[in-house]
Amino acid sequence: GDSVTQMEGPVTLSEEAFLTINCTYTATGYPSLFWYVQYPGEGLQLLLKATKADDKGSNKGFEATYRKETTSFHLEKGSVQVSDSAVYFCALSENSGNTPLVFGKGTRLSVIA
Amino acid sequence: GAVVSQHPSWVICKSGTSVKIECRSLDFQATTMFWYRQFPKQSLMLMATSNEGSKATYEQGVEKDKFLINHASLTLSTLTVTSAHPEDSSFYICSVFGAKNIQYFGAGTRLSVL
Repeated sequence: GDSVTQMEGPVTLSEEAFLTINCTYTATGYPSLFWYVQYPGEGLQLLLKATKADDKGSNKGFEATYRKETTSFHLEKGSVQVSDSAVYFCALSENSGNTPLVFGKGTRLSVIA
Repeated sequence: GAVVSQHPSWVICKSGTSVKIECRSLDFQATTMFWYRQFPKQSLMLMATSNEGSKATYEQGVEKDKFLINHASLTLSTLTVTSAHPEDSSFYICSVFGAKNIQYFGAGTRLSVL
């Protein structure tokens, strides 16, 4: 079945550091890919998504590119802030998002001033 | 979008009792809601798909008689954990399939069974 593997956390960075959270996936078809973020005490929020190969999703300075050849969707940000501290989940859906999501285990990011 | 309210956020109960968790879509009529379960340091695992006006669809290995789902209106789905035991302690999260084919999530309910 489909699966998502993302790097184990926690990740601790200093403010303004570069962030990469790796995510790879296994799917039978051509899934849509997502990054969700969960701030403390809140529900998961969609951060960005990409629906086909070579698409780049971006939001709030975060980016991820759908790489079909490497089955990856790595999350990057050039300069993190303390407010980016949260848990980040990589996920996929086989049918443009209108089916249940398959999640990675989540990566906790802590950014220190 | 869709704003999803989940209640309670944390519940502690005695073994053998039943607990009801509510998931409300505050600004979107949701014909479909999803219930997920998350163990510590694990992925969110889909438990069931809740369909308004019909029976829920359960994932393999999820006991439908233990995890009762009712989706009686377009804005409310409930998950009842019946005869809860310590192994049912977990984090339960609901989501609403909303506008632009995006899933919107509740903040989750932490269940602790003593």
